[in-house]
Amino acid sequence: EVNLVESGGGLVQPGGSLRLSCAASGFNFSGYWMTWVRQAPGKGLEWVANIKEDGSDNNYLDSVKGRFTISRDNIKNSLYLQMNSLGAEDTALYYCARDTSPCATPVCYDALDIWGHGTLVTVSS
Amino acid sequence: AIQMTQSPSSLSASVGDRVTITCRASQVIRNDLGWYQHKPGKAPKLLIYGTSNLQSGVPSRFSGSGSGTDFTLTISSLQPEDFATYYCLQDFNYPRTFGQGTKVEIK
Repeated sequence: EVNLVESGGGLVQPGGSLRLSCAASGFNFSGYWMTWVRQAPGKGLEWVANIKEDGSDNNYLDSVKGRFTISRDNIKNSLYLQMNSLGAEDTALYYCARDTSPCATPVCYDALDIWGHGTLVTVSS
Repeated sequence: AIQMTQSPSSLSASVGDRVTITCRASQVIRNDLGWYQHKPGKAPKLLIYGTSNLQSGVPSRFSGSGSGTDFTLTISSLQPEDFATYYCLQDFNYPRTFGQGTKVEIK
């Protein structure tokens, strides 16, 4: 069964750091881009970052650039999000998702087809 | 960043109703748009990719249309399990951006 399980969330003080993990199973992890998406309390979904299959390329939401680092370990089938200089605005449920490229010939698209259930990050003093 | 504006932000409908949600992009995004369903406490679910392509396993009552800047998600006959929040997501460029969501509630 294809599965993503996030962990590492918790309560952290403003200015602190946290490292989220996402364990993948049931599919060829090294063959997919992977993405982090977050949802602040009472708000909508917000795309945060993604990383290429081999880790050689990545993209970030402007507000997290320079503070967050996405990485992966294809041996451990794991995705990570290192979050530094955290602020209250980073309080959210963080989801990892598989980034797939479904094709409707002759065009291929991007889509987030498998999601975890999220890990909660609370930034508060 | 491309802004995605969804409307309405919420709606009340009855089982069997036809429901339409729209998403407007702040610039042309070709057909690079997907729709997601999100229920409280659950993982979001991909419904449609590339504007109009139904994800495997998604009921055919869901459909998508549009191109350029204006897109629509239609539920032809609302079922009890369809009450949820729906989001559009553009995958034309980075950063990816979601619409603000449309909450579909029971009338």
